[in-house]
Amino acid sequence: DAGVIQSPRHEVTEMGQEVTLRCKPISGHNSLFWYRQTMMRGLELLIYFNNNVPIDDSGMPEDRFSAKMPNASFSTLKIQPSEPRDSAVYFCASSRTGTTKNNEQFFGPGTRLTVL
Amino acid sequence: KNEVEQSPQNLTAQEGEFITINCSYSVGISALHWLQQHPGGGIVSLFMLSSGKKKHGRLIATINIQEKHSSLHITASHPRDSAVYICAVEVDADKLIFGTGTRLQVFP
Repeated sequence: DAGVIQSPRHEVTEMGQEVTLRCKPISGHNSLFWYRQTMMRGLELLIYFNNNVPIDDSGMPEDRFSAKMPNASFSTLKIQPSEPRDSAVYFCASSRTGTTKNNEQFFGPGTRLTVL
Repeated sequence: KNEVEQSPQNLTAQEGEFITINCSYSVGISALHWLQQHPGGGIVSLFMLSSGKKKHGRLIATINIQEKHSSLHITASHPRDSAVYICAVEVDADKLIFGTGTRLQVFP
């Protein structure tokens, strides 16, 4: 398996522009997580989906952030409009959750976002 | 106060030394995860445990649920172990809360 795939790996944009980050989870995994990592705050959960349904979006910082999971193999995280304080590394992770409670999460390589 | 505290924040060691990284948490959890973040940025899951001890190669993770404390040990440390080690606790089904990480450097 190719693991969790994220694109782009690097994104540089100007303040006010729309940014779309993409994630393909591992095939067969039914949970998908979006995280943000900054020097100041470390890793934070933004939102997670189970069976394509958003379960907890309490970590989404504000209305400028939105996430979708239209099917089991694809998710997007959109920032519109972007601001310099959104600069961070955004990780996507997936796991297979269920009654066995083996919830190891597999992380993608991350997207490094820089908003100028 | 953070819900997950790690210590130390930074750690340097000579090759071959025994390493211990500590994690304390203040919330009810269903499991605790240890993650490793390589200098290049990639994150790998090392352990997920809810009781007792787990061992994988030179890595050992322990957890004491009553004391809300976990430790990650590295025996016979090697420069390739240099990385940031992150403790995360699982609350509310799959939701993870992360510690700030311990930056480990092992010198030859």
